[in-house]
This record gives sequence, C-alpha cells and structure tokens, in this order.
Amino acid sequence: NAGVTQTPKFRILKIGQSMTLQCTQDMNHNYMYWYRQDPGMGLKLIYYSVGAGITDKGEVPNGYNVSRSTTEDFPLRLELAAPSQTSVYFCASSYVAVQTQYFGPGTRLLVL
Amino acid sequence: AQTVTQSQPEMSVQEAETVTLSCTYDTSESDYYLFWYKQPPSRQMILVIRQEAYKQQNATENRFSVNFQKAAKSFSLKISDSQLGDAAMYFCAYGTGTASKLTFGTGTRLQVTL
Repeated sequence: NAGVTQTPKFRILKIGQSMTLQCTQDMNHNYMYWYRQDPGMGLKLIYYSVGAGITDKGEVPNGYNVSRSTTEDFPLRLELAAPSQTSVYFCASSYVAVQTQYFGPGTRLLVL
Repeated sequence: AQTVTQSQPEMSVQEAETVTLSCTYDTSESDYYLFWYKQPPSRQMILVIRQEAYKQQNATENRFSVNFQKAAKSFSLKISDSQLGDAAMYFCAYGTGTASKLTFGTGTRLQVTL
C-alpha cells in the first residue's frame, strides 16, 4: 500500500493564480481531510469528507473548494491564490471516524 | 469550540533520559479521542500514541506512554530512554464528533542531546 499520496510536493504560485492539490489514498478509507500548517503552528482543518459525494467545511475553508467523486481521491482547489495561503497542506484519511488518521507527506505552497 | 494547549514551545532531553511533554484541552464532550503525533524534519505526520477518553487505563506504546487525567483535561506524553531519532515536533490533538475532526495544539519541539 502506498497509503496517502499527495502531489505536487512543492509549488510556487503567483497571486491570483489557481491550482489543484491532489490527494489519493489506497486504503479504502471513507473519511478524508485537508489540513494546512502555517509556520510554527499546528494543523488546522480546511475541509473534510465522510464519503464519496459528501463534503463539509472545517475551521478555515475560505479560499478553497473540494470535491469527492471517488473513495480514493479528494482534491483541494485553490482559486485566486493569496499570500495568506502560503502554507504546508496535508491530506489525511481514516477508515471510520474514530480511527487514527493517516497523513500524506504534505504539499508546500508558496504564493508570491 | 474545542481548544488544545501545549504550553512548552521547546524541550530538551539528554539521550537515554526521560522527558514529559504537556498538553491540556478544553471540551464539553464526554466521548472523544486524544492523540500525539510526531513531525520530524521531513514534515511527515507520524502517530505516536492514541487514547480513548472512555478508557481509564493509560495508553502505552513501547517507550511512549501517556498520563491521561480526564477530570483535569490533561494528556501528557512521557518518552523514556530518549533516542536521537525522537528529536522532532510533537503535536497533541483532540478528536470527536461523527467525522472525528482533529484539533491540534501548536506543538512542542523536542531536542535530544548526547
């Protein structure tokens, strides 16, 4: 099992550009999550999904969108990138709600 | 809203010694889960240990153990026989609800010295 994979590993965006962060898991997990980690801080939840076709907002959803068309994939879309979105983005998944979340390696995003 | 507080931004321990990292949380829920995650320089988030709130027994994983005090809302991590590979950021996290969304503390950077 590859676990949770994320692409790209690093990206530089110009202000106003858009991009999609990819997340795929091969563990047949129902629950998937997107977090962001700002320098020197803990992780904050952006969006989450409890299954294909079902998504909901987390603590910091503004400026982002998600979709969940399959169990495996949970892409995060950034529209009109802003410097405040400079961060490291982590995708995570778990089989059921009470189980441990497994994290991907992260995507480092720099918006200039 | 739930909050998780890690009051020690940095800690240092000598190799083979024991260190305890502190974590407190605030919640009105009775059923929840607590986690310690390790983040080495590679940035990968690695689960160290988890504790179910309904269990009175403290969780243990090899050299890692917790002191869970539910009434005090305290969840500290003890690392015994510290090794150089234990050097990392350690995050305490709280999870609850139907989707078990996690709330993280701000982390404690652990340095291990020879």
